[in-house]
Amino acid sequence: AQSVTQLGSHVSVSEGALVLLRCNYSSSVPPYLFWYVQYPNQGLQLLLKYTTGATLVKGINGFEAEFKKSETSFHLTKPSAHMSDAAEYFCAVSDLGGYSTLTFGKGTMLLVSP
Amino acid sequence: NAGVTQTPKFRILKIGQSMTLQCAQDMNHNYMYWYRQDPGMGLKLIYYSVGAGITDKGEVPNGYNVSRSTTEDFPLRLELAAPSQTSVYFCASSSPGLAGGANEQFFGPGTRLTVL
Repeated sequence: AQSVTQLGSHVSVSEGALVLLRCNYSSSVPPYLFWYVQYPNQGLQLLLKYTTGATLVKGINGFEAEFKKSETSFHLTKPSAHMSDAAEYFCAVSDLGGYSTLTFGKGTMLLVSP
Repeated sequence: NAGVTQTPKFRILKIGQSMTLQCAQDMNHNYMYWYRQDPGMGLKLIYYSVGAGITDKGEVPNGYNVSRSTTEDFPLRLELAAPSQTSVYFCASSSPGLAGGANEQFFGPGTRLTVL
């Protein structure tokens, strides 16, 4: 079975600081990996995904993530945090059976202070 | 396009009552999903469907039922509501695509359900 671990339920940064949200996965086969963002009282929105090919993936709003197979990690980064980045972030892994069902991590709430 | 729509936005139920959470999508997606989100627990898959007439259980199906009579609609039924079903429910959809599990899921705005 696949699983996802997100380190830190809350991460606090100052505006302009580096954002690093950690995600480790467990999978017996090469996975598909996703980062979703959830703003307050809204549904989830895709930030970026890794399927195959280039291991550094760029997403929306200046976020990027790097797939490291040797470390089973898919950490999310952004060079400079903005107040509007305050939200909850979810890492997810997809099953390979073709039905796109997702297994989510527990989420990390990003807090951005002025 | 409205994308994925869910009704109602909020609902309070008494223990033992039943209700149906509605979900519709206008993107002609074959795949649809129901998740529940509890604080600090992420999202867990309840049921999913890969097309009209085809449904399957996810990780936490107990206490729920689904049906899929059309491509557009995927209602979730709670027959005997229990306090443990207090949660936020999200419906999502995606297209099959060539890469199978690699396709993005599009989420609705959610239904916040409280069972008292």
